[in-house]
Amino acid sequence: VQLVQSGAEVKKPGASVKVSCMTSGYTFTNYFIYWVRQAPGQGLEYMGIINPSGGGTSYAQKFQGRVTMTRDMSTTTVYMELSSLRHEDTAVFYCARDSDSGSWLGYWGQGTLVTVSS
Amino acid sequence: EMVMTQSPVTLSVSPGERATLSCRTSQSVSGNLAWYQQKPGQAPRLLIYGASTRAAGIPARFSGSGSGTDFTLTISSLQSEDFAVYYCLQYHSWPRTFGQGTKLDIK
Repeated sequence: VQLVQSGAEVKKPGASVKVSCMTSGYTFTNYFIYWVRQAPGQGLEYMGIINPSGGGTSYAQKFQGRVTMTRDMSTTTVYMELSSLRHEDTAVFYCARDSDSGSWLGYWGQGTLVTVSS
Repeated sequence: EMVMTQSPVTLSVSPGERATLSCRTSQSVSGNLAWYQQKPGQAPRLLIYGASTRAAGIPARFSGSGSGTDFTLTISSLQSEDFAVYYCLQYHSWPRTFGQGTKLDIK
């Protein structure tokens, strides 16, 4: 199982960023993909999930209205787009997958640093 | 939303000694709790799931216990590579929630 994320981004306040998570090594439609944010020096924060099978999503209340998670079945890639960026959105964003045998996060991408700077 | 409280925030321990980290949840999560280790610049690494089952490749010095609302991660004899930040995660209910982390540093 591999989750490979896109590279670091620098964005201006008010812009949007789209981070990709390319998956391989398993059946894409069998497992949810999660997104987790980690601000500098801070803890892990759950953002939401996408079900690659039907594309259904569920977002944490904090990010409702600003986050959109999508998937591309042809490339087994999941995307997380965050809009209306503010300085405090500067963070590392991780995608992660359920374990093979349960709902804990067993596999993680390497993380993508998004810097919001004017 | 489930609130997760880890304690202490920072724990200073000497190599070779035992470390005990705590995670408390605001409601019962049964045994649906995992522990992660994170080092600077790295993604979290799964240590324990189901409150007490070690993940593949995790040394036996790591052990988890607890159920309901109170959980403990114990590292029996600290090695230099164990100094890191540790997080708990509940996967009993939505949204998933993490504890705020315990930083384990060298005394």
